[in-house]
Amino acid sequence: EVQLVESGGGLVKPGGSLRLSCAASGFTFSSYSMNWVRQAPGKGLEWVSSISSSSSYIYYADSVKGRFTISRDNAKNSLYLQMNSLRAEDTAVYYCAREEITMIEENWFDPWGQGTLVTVSS
Amino acid sequence: DIQMTQSPSSLSASVGDRVTITCRASQSISSYLNWYQQKPGKAPKLLIYAASSLQSGVPSRFSGSGSGTDFTLTISSLQPEDFATYYCQQSYSTPRSFGQGTKLEIK
Repeated sequence: EVQLVESGGGLVKPGGSLRLSCAASGFTFSSYSMNWVRQAPGKGLEWVSSISSSSSYIYYADSVKGRFTISRDNAKNSLYLQMNSLRAEDTAVYYCAREEITMIEENWFDPWGQGTLVTVSS
Repeated sequence: DIQMTQSPSSLSASVGDRVTITCRASQSISSYLNWYQQKPGKAPKLLIYAASSLQSGVPSRFSGSGSGTDFTLTISSLQPEDFATYYCQQSYSTPRSFGQGTKLEIK
């Protein structure tokens, strides 16, 4: 069974740091691009960052650029999100999601992990 | 960046109804459009990819159509388990933007 399990969320003060992890199983992790998507309480979905299978291509939303760093360890089947200089507006459930890409570059997110809650508050 | 706009933002319907949700992109995205369903407290689930392809395991009452800037998600006969929030997402370019969501509620 394909599975993604996030961890590392919690309560952090403004300006603080947190590192999220996403453990993958049931598929060849090293063959897939991966993404982080977040959802503030009661709000919609916001794409945060993506990383290609070999870490060659990395992208960020403008809202997190310069503060967040995405990385992966294919030997450990794990995806990470290092979050620094956290702000109240970063409070959200953070999901990791596998990206499927076809030969003509159609792409979508499936599956998603269950999410981990990050709360930034003093 | 490409903006995605869904309508309506909320919708009340009854079991057995036919429902259509619309998603509009701020520029042409060809068929690079996906639909997700999210239930309270749960992760989003892929329903439709590439505008009209049904994800494996998703009931055939769900269908998607459109290309360019205008897209629709149709549920042919609403079932109790379909009451949820639905999001469109463009996969044409980065950032991979989502619509604001359409909350489907029981009438």
